[in-house]
Amino acid sequence: GAVVSQHPSWVICKSGTSVKIECRSLDFQATTMFWYRQFPKQSLMLMATSNEGSKATYEQGVEKDKFLINHASLTLSTLTVTSAHPEDSSFYICSAPTLAGGSYEQYFGPGTRLTVT
Amino acid sequence: QQPVQSPQAVILREGEDAVINCSSSKALYSVHWYRQKHGEAPVFLMILLKGGEQKGHEKISASFNEKKQQSSLYLTASQLSYSGTYFCGKGSNTGKLIFGQGTTLQVKP
Repeated sequence: GAVVSQHPSWVICKSGTSVKIECRSLDFQATTMFWYRQFPKQSLMLMATSNEGSKATYEQGVEKDKFLINHASLTLSTLTVTSAHPEDSSFYICSAPTLAGGSYEQYFGPGTRLTVT
Repeated sequence: QQPVQSPQAVILREGEDAVINCSSSKALYSVHWYRQKHGEAPVFLMILLKGGEQKGHEKISASFNEKKQQSSLYLTASQLSYSGTYFCGKGSNTGKLIFGQGTTLQVKP
């Protein structure tokens, strides 16, 4: 099956700094990738759709200037959390869809745990 | 809109059965089921596309009603490994997936 990787697995940063998270599709090309955020004991909330060759599409309530998304190639999307604050501490997960049998199957990365101190 | 799951939590003994429901006020393009263990990414279970569809693998199966507004996940003869949080996801023709709030399942020996 398709594999999606994320790097780093976890990161601790100081308040006010920026953090970059990478999402790669290892054995398939993804013109679209999705970024989710999950707080403890909550669901995965879709933050944005990353589009190769064009701007990302953000969900309502997600600050596009704070969460910068760049889809640099057909296998790489990056999420940069700018001027991070403790409330940005969360589990960030990316996914990439592939079309199979008339529907999209989502392949998730292993996630990145961000802690802002 | 986020699909609605019920119940929020279930506690079972090994060997017991469970049903988790996922509903939407509008017809769903597709419904996806995932299980997530603590601290890990969600693991894909299955997708249902067609109204009236049922599918399964071993002791986990799911159905999609005719109107495509409700799906149920059936866990039969539960095992300890079934413990985790189950999410249904509302799929779309763009690949976008919106998750329900989740159902926590705990299987005890």
